[in-house]
Amino acid sequence: DAGITQSPRHKVTETGTPVTLRCHQTENHRYMYWYRQDPGHGLRLIHYSYGVKDTDKGEVSDGYSVSRSKTEDFLLTLESATSSQTSVYFCAISTPTGGTDTQYFGPGTRLTVL
Amino acid sequence: GENVEQHPSTLSVQEGDSAVIKCTYSDSASNYFPWYKQELGKRPQLIIDIRSNVGEKKDQRIAVTLNKTAKHFSLHITETQPEDSAVYFCAASGTGGSYIPTFGRGTSLIVHP
Repeated sequence: DAGITQSPRHKVTETGTPVTLRCHQTENHRYMYWYRQDPGHGLRLIHYSYGVKDTDKGEVSDGYSVSRSKTEDFLLTLESATSSQTSVYFCAISTPTGGTDTQYFGPGTRLTVL
Repeated sequence: GENVEQHPSTLSVQEGDSAVIKCTYSDSASNYFPWYKQELGKRPQLIIDIRSNVGEKKDQRIAVTLNKTAKHFSLHITETQPEDSAVYFCAASGTGGSYIPTFGRGTSLIVHP
């Protein structure tokens, strides 16, 4: 499983509360990603990081922020959760080599915003 | 940016039949095309990939073909088994030197015993 974990695995929260999801890797991969998965939409990129303190937005970044202060940890924060952010969140890691980039996914976090 | 279309969204086959899932991409600069399988409640996992300098790649019962001229690539599964039932995602990356992949919306494959 490429040494990648996510916490928590399940969370139920209320609208308007802040939520932080954690992704942790043990294999020193340079790139880390946060995706959300919703029925009919596949995997949509929220934010990604290409190094410590180096992050960039994906296609659905509104309402989300990220931080990466250490190589092994990538945090996703919902500043004020909304019901539209109910989803399954996957973290992924990769180390691009030879012009290709195979991603390895974490186990996912199921977030419910009431 | 890159746009990846995946068809069909649902595919139902009988055990032993072949299954084909097709993806098209918009940017001719994309050069890496992985396929992921996601079983119910699990994480997506890479099952096969292909680079733009290769036309076909096989791994036991699965194969991927790439047509760069037409900008489409396909996943072929032969002799399907019930354990092949899952959601399959295609992706394309490499546009403009970026490693960030663009995913298709997924195909739910159901193999009936």
